[in-house]
Amino acid sequence: QSALTQPASVSGSPGQSITISCTGTSSDIGGYNYVSWYQQHPGKAPKLMIFDVSNRPSGVSNRFSGSKSGNTASLTISGLQAEDEADYYCSSYTSSALVLFGGGTKLTVL
Amino acid sequence: EVQLVESGGGLVQPGGSLRLSCAASGFTFSSSWMHWVRQAPGKGLVWVSRINTAGTTTKYADSVKGRFTISRDNAKNTLYLQMNSLRAEDTAVYYCAKDLSFNQVDYWGQGTLVTVSS
Repeated sequence: QSALTQPASVSGSPGQSITISCTGTSSDIGGYNYVSWYQQHPGKAPKLMIFDVSNRPSGVSNRFSGSKSGNTASLTISGLQAEDEADYYCSSYTSSALVLFGGGTKLTVL
Repeated sequence: EVQLVESGGGLVQPGGSLRLSCAASGFTFSSSWMHWVRQAPGKGLVWVSRINTAGTTTKYADSVKGRFTISRDNAKNTLYLQMNSLRAEDTAVYYCAKDLSFNQVDYWGQGTLVTVSS
């Protein structure tokens, strides 16, 4: 049950777009369209931002979008804002009906 | 409004036991699969366990299998995590989480801190 692979950190300036990748295998990301992304601010609980690869829950800004190609999923944030600075985690359903999270990516808004 | 409120965390010695509870409200608890997810200090999220609506099917991460038991009381709208044979590496904030579908979580509790130390 190895964690999904995410970059440790990404950064961008206000107004720019950034993309966070999440790499797994054919037994998780590549095999199912059940990839989700979570935002976590320091000391707070995670918040669902994307589910089923590319769907946004009600109330989540359309600046957040998700996609998948093969064994890699991606989260793109456009029009970066200061409040987007947080940790982001990907997650995937697996062939064992378990849950795998990525190691997390710290987003810094410069 | 969906609310998940964890309790039961605290300081426990290695080898000890602890039972976490999660009181749920604002949704039909008996119709929702539920999860426990933990986060060690300064580290990432790690899935711990999942239970189906009736409490008849459970899944565990390898790191806790045989030591932790997830259960639920649908009459009380409460989720539990019984943790036995605790180790220092179990030290973490434990989150109760509601399943949206296929192990994706749409709501999280605020977490309860478990510290395993002598």
